[in-house]
Amino acid sequence: DAGVIQSPRHEVTEMGQEVTLRCKLISGHNSLFWYRQTMMRGLELLIYFNNNVPIDDSGMPEDRFSAKMPNASFSTLKIQPSEPRDSAVYFCASSLMGGDIQYFGAGTRLSVL
Amino acid sequence: GESVGLHLPTLSVQEGDNSIINCAYSNSASDYFIWYKQESGKGPQFIIDIRSNMDKRQGQRVTVLLNKTVKHLSLQIAATQPGDSAVYFCAEISGNTPLVFGKGTRLSVIA
Repeated sequence: DAGVIQSPRHEVTEMGQEVTLRCKLISGHNSLFWYRQTMMRGLELLIYFNNNVPIDDSGMPEDRFSAKMPNASFSTLKIQPSEPRDSAVYFCASSLMGGDIQYFGAGTRLSVL
Repeated sequence: GESVGLHLPTLSVQEGDNSIINCAYSNSASDYFIWYKQESGKGPQFIIDIRSNMDKRQGQRVTVLLNKTVKHLSLQIAATQPGDSAVYFCAEISGNTPLVFGKGTRLSVIA
């Protein structure tokens, strides 16, 4: 398996634009996690899913952020409208179950100008 | 105003020496612990794990020690190499809840 695959690797956009980050889980994994990493706050859990169902989205900063799992192997994180303070590296991770080892993708570095 | 970033603890070691990275965890109910390594520009990578019914586990050049009495976890790296330079995170799990990550420690290896 190629591991968790995220796209794009880098995204530069202007304030107010919609941003969509994508993640493909490891085949057979049932849990999906979105994280944000910044120098200020470190690694923050935004939301996680078990079996395509969002379990905890308390880490999502505001209504501008939304995440979906249209199927068992794919997820999107959308920011609309984007703001400069959203600039960060966004990681997706998957695991067999919620309380199991998480395997991370390479991340998407987002810069909002 | 000026932004203040996270000040990660930093450990500097000479190449070839042993490294010990420490982690204090918060939840006495945590029963599973994992160490991750994050190199610059990459996502965190699994290194080694340990269950709460153990106090020591060894891998290749790495050893994890668990002291549940004082809620302390450590990662020992033998014969540290330049490629070990990274940020190391400990993470704890209680039951079926997701990982809770620590703030991380930066390891710098001096050649």
